[in-house]
Amino acid sequence: AQKITQTQPGMFVQEKEAVTLDCTYDTSDQSYGLFWYKQPSSGEMIFLIYQGSYDEQNATEGRYSLNFQKARKSANLVISASQLGDSAMYFCAMRGINAGKSTFGDGTTLTVKP
Amino acid sequence: GAGVSQSPSNKVTEKGKDVELRCDPISGHTALYWYRQSLGQGLEFLIYFQGNSAPDKSGLPSDRFSAERTGGSVSTLTIQRTQQEDSAVYLCASSLFLAGGSGSYNEQFFGPGTRLTVL
Repeated sequence: AQKITQTQPGMFVQEKEAVTLDCTYDTSDQSYGLFWYKQPSSGEMIFLIYQGSYDEQNATEGRYSLNFQKARKSANLVISASQLGDSAMYFCAMRGINAGKSTFGDGTTLTVKP
Repeated sequence: GAGVSQSPSNKVTEKGKDVELRCDPISGHTALYWYRQSLGQGLEFLIYFQGNSAPDKSGLPSDRFSAERTGGSVSTLTIQRTQQEDSAVYLCASSLFLAGGSGSYNEQFFGPGTRLTVL
């Protein structure tokens, strides 16, 4: 069984500052993928970044980076230089490499203050 | 290019009625997923289709829920004898075929969802 835990229901960050959204996971799979999605108030799910369990380097995509610590089973999302448009709900998810089902966390609501 | 589309965007129904939700995946995507999202919550996996393989139905909450995928493309999620607790946003996603091996993944592209309200 897989489990994703996001312990921060809500986070605030000042515009232009960096913010870290926490995600810890539990799985018995040896190979798996970790994902972050953004869900604005419009409801669409937007893929942000992916980290494979065997990737040695942390994934980066523009202002998004994933701080992957395999031994601690954490996959925190770091957003640099926050923008007002970053205000949204953020979901951490995981999937076994050969499994279709994805397990999602409960999400973190990020509010960027001007 | 066209993304994942879902219809209807909103559905209001009375308790006890049956409803059908439709998903059109991205052309060429052989994997299709259904999720349910209750207000302010994360996504709950319902069912997964991959090509001609038997679907993974492990997330369906009861036998009132069923889904099919015709011709490897369009999928329909059916909820029979709806209950108020079925009220949620139902999200469909599609992806390319999963490939095994470390470092491989297939991003899921989500549709806009169907908001179901059971009165």
